[in-house]
Amino acid sequence: GAGVSQSPSNKVTEKGKDVELRCDPISGHTALYWYRQSLGQGLEFLIYFQGNSAPDKSGLPSDRFSAERTGGSVSTLTIQRTQQEDSAVYLCASSLQGAGETQYFGPGTRLLVL
Amino acid sequence: GENVEQHPSTLSVQEGDSAVIKCTYSDSASNYFPWYKQELGKRPQLIIDIRSNVGEKKDQRIAVTLNKTAKHFSLHITETQPEDSAVYFCAASRSSARQLTFGSGTQLTVLP
Repeated sequence: GAGVSQSPSNKVTEKGKDVELRCDPISGHTALYWYRQSLGQGLEFLIYFQGNSAPDKSGLPSDRFSAERTGGSVSTLTIQRTQQEDSAVYLCASSLQGAGETQYFGPGTRLLVL
Repeated sequence: GENVEQHPSTLSVQEGDSAVIKCTYSDSASNYFPWYKQELGKRPQLIIDIRSNVGEKKDQRIAVTLNKTAKHFSLHITETQPEDSAVYFCAASRSSARQLTFGSGTQLTVLP
């Protein structure tokens, strides 16, 4: 079946602009995660959605970052007033039920803030 | 929260040799330990995982060992091939946790 998909694959924006990144998880997966990967670095957890529960936003680096998940499926990560340090690859992952399970990653969105 | 340390950060081996990557974790309640491989410009992909009820798991040339007492786990790749060259990430979580905590990654280069 189809894997996790993300769009756009690349995004170039100017400092101060808002951006929206989209994630389509694997059908039937109730858990969805956003991670950030800076160049040559590891994966930094941002936010986690599980079913209808309140999301775990503990990894969001600032209030400029927000995310939502509509209808328990598609998720959008929004970065307001982008800064150059926001430049990174933003990866989405999904798993069947959540904690302690295999996470399947999307191809990522490469964000460049000029 | 959980903290995962991974060593080495870079590793070069000759084709056919073995490669070992080690990770330590801090949360004694962690019970799920996956390993991901990320080729340049590609998404991370799960290559093997282990749960705390076993000490070792093998899949062809790849094996993972877990020492719960010492809180460390290792990835072993035997008979390495150039296509094994990639960044490898370990991770850990407990069943009640909401996310994986990743190590910082190991850049493995297999020299032909």
